[in-house]
Amino acid sequence: NAGVTQTPKFQVLKTGQSMTLQCAQDMNHEYMSWYRQDPGMGLRLIHYSVGAGITDQGEVPNGYNVSRSTTEDFPLRLLSAAPSQTSVYFCASSSLAGTKLSSYNEQFFGPGTRLTVL
Amino acid sequence: GQQVMQIPQYQHVQEGEDFTTYCNSSTTLSNIQWYKQRPGGHPVFLIQLVKSGEVKKQKRLTFQFGEAKKNSSLHITATQTTDVGTYFCAGPKGNTGKLIFGQGTTLQVKP
Repeated sequence: NAGVTQTPKFQVLKTGQSMTLQCAQDMNHEYMSWYRQDPGMGLRLIHYSVGAGITDQGEVPNGYNVSRSTTEDFPLRLLSAAPSQTSVYFCASSSLAGTKLSSYNEQFFGPGTRLTVL
Repeated sequence: GQQVMQIPQYQHVQEGEDFTTYCNSSTTLSNIQWYKQRPGGHPVFLIQLVKSGEVKKQKRLTFQFGEAKKNSSLHITATQTTDVGTYFCAGPKGNTGKLIFGQGTTLQVKP
């Protein structure tokens, strides 16, 4: 199993450009999420999904879109990149431990994408 | 809204000293998870605590979940240079599906 994969590893964008960060998992996990990591601010949830066809906003969703057409893939789209979106982006997946949305098993993280917006 | 706060933000210790990081939530948590991120790496799951007052050990690491399920701690006995990294706690925001991480505690160990 490859686990959670993310592409690209590094990306430099100009302000206003759009791009898609790719995330895929081969563990048949229902739950997938995107976080951004900035110094001193921990991991902040951007968007998440509890299954194919279902997505919802996290704590910092502005400027980002997601879709979940398959169980395996959860791409993150930057619509019009801004310097404030310079960050390290992590995708994570997990199985759900029960019927409650608070019942998580361990989150498996991808290696991250380091994005710089000039 | 719900917040998960971690203290301290940074900790420098001499190898062999003990280390503790604390995690506090503004609301009751149904469970809490702990992760470790090595420099340049990604977060890796350490443990999950579910029960009030629960204590779990992994070798030199001891994890506790408070009686009120609003706080948790990670204690490392006799730190080693391999313990260097950032430790995060994370808890679900109610039944929303959101998993909220604390800001993390970065541990530096001097050999």
